Amino acid sequence: AQTIHQWPVAEIKAVGSPLSLGCTIKGKSSPNLYWYWQATGGTLQQLFYSITVGQVESVVQLNLSASRPKDDQFILSTEKLLLSHSGFYLCAWSSGDSDYTFGSGTRLLVI
Amino acid sequence: GDSVTQTEGLVTLTEGLPVMLNCTYQTIYSNPFLFWYVQHLNESPRLLLKSFTDNKRTEHQGFHATLHKSSSSFHLQKSSAQLSDSALYYCALYASSGSWQLIFGSGTQLTVMP
Repeated sequence: AQTIHQWPVAEIKAVGSPLSLGCTIKGKSSPNLYWYWQATGGTLQQLFYSITVGQVESVVQLNLSASRPKDDQFILSTEKLLLSHSGFYLCAWSSGDSDYTFGSGTRLLVI
Repeated sequence: GDSVTQTEGLVTLTEGLPVMLNCTYQTIYSNPFLFWYVQHLNESPRLLLKSFTDNKRTEHQGFHATLHKSSSSFHLQKSSAQLSDSALYYCALYASSGSWQLIFGSGTQLTVMP
């Protein structure tokens, strides 16, 4: 069975500090990977997607970047956090082009 | 562009009453996939049900929905609400194969009271 693991579970970071969030998929070869962001009380906004290792496409610009260094790994990062980056970050995967399965998420508070 | 509209931000009802959460969508593509996701407090969204077949009812865990392409709707229904149904419900649209984007509505918070 496929498992999706996100780390860290939660972070409190200062404005202007760097950030790196990770996501690993096990039990699935060449998954399609996605990053979503959910502001408190807000909807789920897709940030990035990656269909193959080394290739990432941006959906919205939020001063964030993503990379896929390995087939089973997806990284979300920024060099300088803003207050507006606070929220719930979710990694998801799919085998086809629908049916997304979400990880348990990372809660980020920027102060 | 593609979009999903959920008109009710908050729905509160009494246990045992029927549930209906509205979802309409906009897309130029003729064969969209529609989904309902449920998110309980402090958890991640979980797929509840999905459809891509016009006018066919799909059911899961007591909930059902029918995709109506003529009205671009995919309303979620349940005959009798339970306390455990209290959660945030998202309607989502996958407009076309290869778009790689699952677009979510604004969500409806359902609260079921005893």
